[in-house]
Amino acid sequence: AQTVTQSQPEMSVQEAETVTLSCTYDTSESDYYLFWYKQPPSRQMILVIRQEAYKQQNATENRFSVNFQKAAKSFSLKISDSQLGDAAMYFCAYRSAGSGGSNYKLTFGKGTLLTVNP
Amino acid sequence: SQTIHQWPATLVQPVGSPLSLECTVEGTSNPNLYWYRQAAGRGLQLLFYSVGIGQISSEVPQNLSASRHQVRQFILSSKKLLLSDSGFYLCAWSVLSGRVSPLHFGNGTRLTVT
Repeated sequence: AQTVTQSQPEMSVQEAETVTLSCTYDTSESDYYLFWYKQPPSRQMILVIRQEAYKQQNATENRFSVNFQKAAKSFSLKISDSQLGDAAMYFCAYRSAGSGGSNYKLTFGKGTLLTVNP
Repeated sequence: SQTIHQWPATLVQPVGSPLSLECTVEGTSNPNLYWYRQAAGRGLQLLFYSVGIGQISSEVPQNLSASRHQVRQFILSSKKLLLSDSGFYLCAWSVLSGRVSPLHFGNGTRLTVT
């Protein structure tokens, strides 16, 4: 079974600075997807960014980018120019690429609580 | 566009009482549906998922059950709640096929069992 590990329970960053959240995963599969979700105090889960394992290019969404190291099974999230609204719990998630309903479920890490200091 | 509705938003129930949480998705045909639970200070644990009407898969043995009698509705139930059932319950959907299909979550239900 796949596992996702987020080794940083909490992180803090100064407003306008850059922060990197770590995520590692364990899998025997070669094709899969990785996601970062954000959960603000409202508790709603918001998709931040996604990465397809077969793509070597790192995904980027505005101020959010990832460093995907497939061999190392590492998938870190970089937030540039941090804003107060970025304060939230961030979850890394893994999904198999195979077809069939069971492969569409996500396995989540335990999350990293990000604090943004003004 | 697709929307997902989950209710109630907050629920306080005594131990031993029944439970019924509803989740409805609009704007998509035959989605995969999921129930996750998030305990305090922990990640999300998948409870059930469904790929179609009457097709329910349970990930973790527990005091809960799920049902899907309509294409776009997913219900989480319990006959008798336990204190350990307290938590934040999230419903989610994804498309049935396609490559990068993320999960789209509802706003969640905070359940407190007293």
